[in-house]
Amino acid sequence: AQKITQTQPGMFVQEKEAVTLDCTYDTSDPSYGLFWYKQPSSGEMIFLIYQGSYDQQNATEGRYSLNFQKARKSANLVISASQLGDSAMYFCAMRASGTGFQKLVFGTGTRLLVSP
Amino acid sequence: DTEVTQTPKHLVMGMTNKKSLKCEQHMGHRAMYWYKQKAKKPPELMFVYSYEKLSINESVPSRFSPECPNSSLLNLHLHALQPEDSALYLCASSQDFKQGDGYEQYFGPGTRLTVT
Repeated sequence: AQKITQTQPGMFVQEKEAVTLDCTYDTSDPSYGLFWYKQPSSGEMIFLIYQGSYDQQNATEGRYSLNFQKARKSANLVISASQLGDSAMYFCAMRASGTGFQKLVFGTGTRLLVSP
Repeated sequence: DTEVTQTPKHLVMGMTNKKSLKCEQHMGHRAMYWYKQKAKKPPELMFVYSYEKLSINESVPSRFSPECPNSSLLNLHLHALQPEDSALYLCASSQDFKQGDGYEQYFGPGTRLTVT
């Protein structure tokens, strides 16, 4: 079974500061992928960044980076230079080989509020 | 074009009504998904279609009936719904997941369904 845990229900950060959103996962599958999605109040899920289980380097996409620590089973999202538009719900998710990579399992999410 | 469209954006229906949700993508993706999301919760997978064939049904009640008429379209037919079915219904698509784990899902804006 796959499980994603996000322990921070809410996070606050000031504009232009960096923030780390925590994500830990549990799976016995040898191959898996980890994803972060952003969901503004409008409802659409926006893909941010992906990390494969065999990737040696941490993924980066613009202001987003993923701090992947495989031994600790953590995949934290780092947002640098926060902007007001970053205020949203953030979900960590995983797909694993055990389900044929068909199922995307989400964590409970972290609500980020960026203040001026 | 990385767009998934969903219609309608909002839907209010009575428990005896029959209605349909529509999802469309033109990215050449061969996997399509329906998710249900209740307020303040993560999305929950309902159905997965792969190459227009139903691949996964997450024990969804039969009052929800999915249909994939072609590789670009995904419908969700609704009949005799209950008030607890009120939620945001999200459609997503991705490249063929059988090739590996790295294919992100692109989500539509969702349909906010209210059952009265």
